[in-house]
Amino acid sequence: GIQVEQSPPDLILQEGANSTLRCNFSDSVNNLQWFHQNPWGQLINLFYIPSGTKQNGRLSATTVATERYSLLYISSSQTTDSGVYFCAVLNTGGFKTIFGAGTRLFVKA
Amino acid sequence: SQTIHQWPATLVQPVGSPLSLECTVEGTSNPNLYWYRQAAGRGLQLLFYSVGIGQISSEVPQNLSASRPQDRQFILSSKKLLLSDSGFYLCAWSAIVYNSPLHFGNGTRLTVT
Repeated sequence: GIQVEQSPPDLILQEGANSTLRCNFSDSVNNLQWFHQNPWGQLINLFYIPSGTKQNGRLSATTVATERYSLLYISSSQTTDSGVYFCAVLNTGGFKTIFGAGTRLFVKA
Repeated sequence: SQTIHQWPATLVQPVGSPLSLECTVEGTSNPNLYWYRQAAGRGLQLLFYSVGIGQISSEVPQNLSASRPQDRQFILSSKKLLLSDSGFYLCAWSAIVYNSPLHFGNGTRLTVT
């Protein structure tokens, strides 16, 4: 099956810093999502981005489907950005969304 | 708008006891439904998915089962819980339209003692 790899696994930032999270996938995908899991366990949809670039406030994401990767940019990080960021993909012709192992982010005040 | 409800939020059960977790979706028809499990500090593992009433696909052979008795209701069950069943269980839905994004409930944190 399709493999999803996220990097880095852990990231510590000082408040105000910028960061880039990466997601690589091993096969063609029809759907890619980025989620933020907050400290209470809730999974929040950040982006639905099978290709192209989207921005939402301080967050933006880019997916290059032909090269099988996606990037999540966090600018001017805040302590509330802490948590785990997951990339998830739906492979071509499938019903199953597969998750990467996540990037655990901690933003220090 | 669509909403997904999942309960209970937390559950502590002894080994060998039965389990029933329920998930319902409002505001949409014929959704695809999913159960995921997250072990502590780990990623999400797909357990079951359903594309219609009575249709269940199992991804991982284990001590759990799923049922979909109604269009917008998805139930995760076990006859006898094991310690290894502890974890965070998340229900999700996506629209029947192909390539629709996933939307998650708030999850149930299950501890088997």
